[in-house]
Amino acid sequence: DTEVTQTPKHLVMGMTNKKSLKCEQHMGHRAMYWYKQKAKKPPELMFVYSYEKLSINESVPSRFSPECPNSSLLNLHLHALQPEDSALYLCASSQARQGANEAFFGQGTRLTVV
Amino acid sequence: GQNIDQPTEMTATEGAIVQINCTYQTSGFNGLFWYQQHAGEAPTFLSYNVLDGLEEKGRFSSFLSRSKGYSYLLLKELQMKDSASYLCAVRGPRARDYKLSFGAGTTVTVRA
Repeated sequence: DTEVTQTPKHLVMGMTNKKSLKCEQHMGHRAMYWYKQKAKKPPELMFVYSYEKLSINESVPSRFSPECPNSSLLNLHLHALQPEDSALYLCASSQARQGANEAFFGQGTRLTVV
Repeated sequence: GQNIDQPTEMTATEGAIVQINCTYQTSGFNGLFWYQQHAGEAPTFLSYNVLDGLEEKGRFSSFLSRSKGYSYLLLKELQMKDSASYLCAVRGPRARDYKLSFGAGTTVTVRA
């Protein structure tokens, strides 16, 4: 199983809503990531979790709140988002060690903030 | 920080060869990755280089020169399904940093 599963695939939310994005992998990977990708742009790193601990936060606004409840799950809690936060949100995972440990990406959640 | 440059677009004919160049300036280097991304889909891993030289994987090869901050992805025997965006990504500054910084991507269009 080399899949990273993200739900939902599409999400439309108002600026006052609270929603969560979910990501799941069963490859035994201990590093998990959230990326944001705008149209025709490359993915931009938001957060990295290593062994269920937050290791990198790329100065992401607090309206995005990550959570890693266990080694297979990664959530991104959303609150009071702005229309410019509309994007494709990609989850990825990799082995947490040196070497050719490529990141496997999920299909993404396409988020629209109205 | 990381500064990663690659051409915006390339067009080639089915069966031909295309070379996508990537140059980078980084505050630390621990590997270079190439990913393929079809429109509306997730990026998929193609290759990894951490030492200088050529890595070959079927129709795809990737080259790295660390002293020049340069890599290329070579796509041989192009097929229509190879039409996609190709992303160069650098990991750094530490090997355990897990931080991938992506270039803007090169859109390759394969014509019959």
